[in-house]
Amino acid sequence: NFMLTQPHSVSESPGKTVTISCTRSSGSIASNYVQWYQQRPGSSPTTVIYEDNQRPSGVPDRFSGSIDSSSNSASLTISGLKTEDEADYYCQSYDTNNEVFGGGTKLTVL
Amino acid sequence: QVQLQESGPGLVRPSQTLSLACTVSGGSISSADYYWCWIRQPPGKGLEWVGYIYYTGSTYYNPSLKSRVTISVDMSKNQFALNLTSVTAADTAVYYCAREDSSGWIDYWGQGALVTVSS
Repeated sequence: NFMLTQPHSVSESPGKTVTISCTRSSGSIASNYVQWYQQRPGSSPTTVIYEDNQRPSGVPDRFSGSIDSSSNSASLTISGLKTEDEADYYCQSYDTNNEVFGGGTKLTVL
Repeated sequence: QVQLQESGPGLVRPSQTLSLACTVSGGSISSADYYWCWIRQPPGKGLEWVGYIYYTGSTYYNPSLKSRVTISVDMSKNQFALNLTSVTAADTAVYYCAREDSSGWIDYWGQGALVTVSS
């Protein structure tokens, strides 16, 4: 089994850029797609990035995703931060035998 | 537009069986393109996979829950179901049903059902 490790929390000011990391403990990050979900309090998660770097329709291009094989990690970058981006963010991936979520990162936009 | 809706008791006694159903509308549960999932979230905590079922009946279960979980599908009702046996307070959570595509993307989620385990 592998794990996905995220920072517990990040904070940044409106208008700035923030990056949330997601490090895979074993196996290559590039072997299986990574997704990113946003969850606001009291709501179901919604997708902001799928297949490493794809945005669903309706998600602004301020959200971008990438993977880095050298650090075996994926990243979610949000630019031009808005107060409405304040939420929990989860990365998710899989392999042949496992489905895994990261522990989640609380983004505070102050 | 695909919609998923969880249904079932909101309160389960310890040691009993938690049973939830998920009704899918706007899409067929017999599609070969998707996996039908259960994911849970304890209060104030992160998301945790419970498992999924494919239209063929093949399943994946979280290894930590495998001995207690069964996911089944009812094609006639376009529903899939979760049974979790021998529950304890640690099983108290919001349970989401969801659809996952072949690339691992969970593209549709239900609204979630809070299940509390308490005597």
